[in-house]
This record gives sequence, structure tokens and C-alpha cells, in this order.
Amino acid sequence: DIQMTQSPSSLSASVGDRVTITCRASQSIARYLNWYQHKPGRAPKVLIYAASSLQSGVPLRFSGSGSGTDFTLTISRLQPEDFATYYCQQSYTTPFTFGPGTRVEIK
Amino acid sequence: EVHLVESGGGLVKPGGSLRLSCAASGLIFSDTYMSWVRQAPGKGLEWVGRISSTTDGATTDYAVPIEGRFTISRDDSKDTVYLQMNSLDSDDTGVYYCTREAGRRWQSWGQGTLVTVSS
Repeated sequence: DIQMTQSPSSLSASVGDRVTITCRASQSIARYLNWYQHKPGRAPKVLIYAASSLQSGVPLRFSGSGSGTDFTLTISRLQPEDFATYYCQQSYTTPFTFGPGTRVEIK
Repeated sequence: EVHLVESGGGLVKPGGSLRLSCAASGLIFSDTYMSWVRQAPGKGLEWVGRISSTTDGATTDYAVPIEGRFTISRDDSKDTVYLQMNSLDSDDTGVYYCTREAGRRWQSWGQGTLVTVSS
């Protein structure tokens, strides 16, 4: 199985901050990498697919980059509704493993 | 708009079985790949498995901890996907989501159904 790691596991940030989350795959997954936002009691929501493509309806402050084994999710100016847990997921091959998540908290 | 509704969760004893259902609407179900994803209490998301579209043979893939205990199936006449769970243990406790796979991303999700394995 492909193992996914994320860093940091949690972070505290203020509204307006720039936030960067990294994700690493245990082997090359080309650009088959998705990012999800998950809030308690809600269904997960896809933000970025294919490493850098913005899902329809997702605000432009979210962006993704990377290929191979190293990927990044950036929130350019953090908004109150962005406080959540973020997961990367590889869609290169089954099983489609998720990273352990990064919790973004209010500073 | 795609709408997914899970049902069938509840309390089950260790070693027991449970069948979850996910009813879909707003899509051509027989052409759709469907997955199950779960989240244990205080833990992250875990992909459970998927079933391909009927067009592509309705083949299944599972996560390693799942293989042999859980079975995913579909009934296109009811626009429904199922997750049959056997030999349940406490590690299987959590919220189970069904989700539609399209373009190698999981765009539509149900609200989730809670499974609790406890004596």
C-alpha cells in the first residue's frame, strides 16, 4: 500500500494568515493527489484534485501544488470558515489511502 | 444535484454483522463508481473499498484491514450500494460515508451513518 504522511499534524493560525500543509507519498503517485476539508458532523468536501485543480465552487484562496511524492495545500488568507481538518488522499492506485490529517485551529 | 443517503447503522455486538445501504439520486447510477469511507472516533478518514460501475464490471477493491470481512455490492435497479460487514470488532466503530467517485476524486458524499461495535 502507498503510505501518506502530512505535516504538521495540527497548527494554530489567525484569520488572514497564509497556511501551508504538506503531504508526502511513500512512492511516486504522479499528480493523483486530492485534498479534502472535513468539519465535525459534516461530510468531507473535495477542495483540490489532480494535485492542483480547484474543485468547482471552492474559493480561489485554496491552491495545491506538487507531483511525484511531495505535495502542498496552501490557503492564501485564512477565513473563519476554514478552521477544519484537511486530508490528502492518493488516487493513483487502490487502496486509495488518506493522510492522517492536519487540524487547523484558531489562534 | 447528486444526493446520497446512508442507512443501516446501529449498535452491534463484537463478531456480529451489519449491512449498510446508500441510496443515490441525481446521477446515472449504473455508470458510477461508489466507495465507502469511514472515520473512527477521534481518528482520520479511512478508505474502506469501492465498487466499479456496472459498465466496468462492478468489480470491487478493499483496504487491507477490510478484505475478507466486508463486501460491497450494488443494485442498479434501486440506485443503491451496500456494505455488508461481518466479523465486526471494536476497531470497526465509526461513521461510515458512501461517496461517489468521478474523475479520480470523491465529489459527492452522504451524511454518514454511525456504526458502534460494543458488547
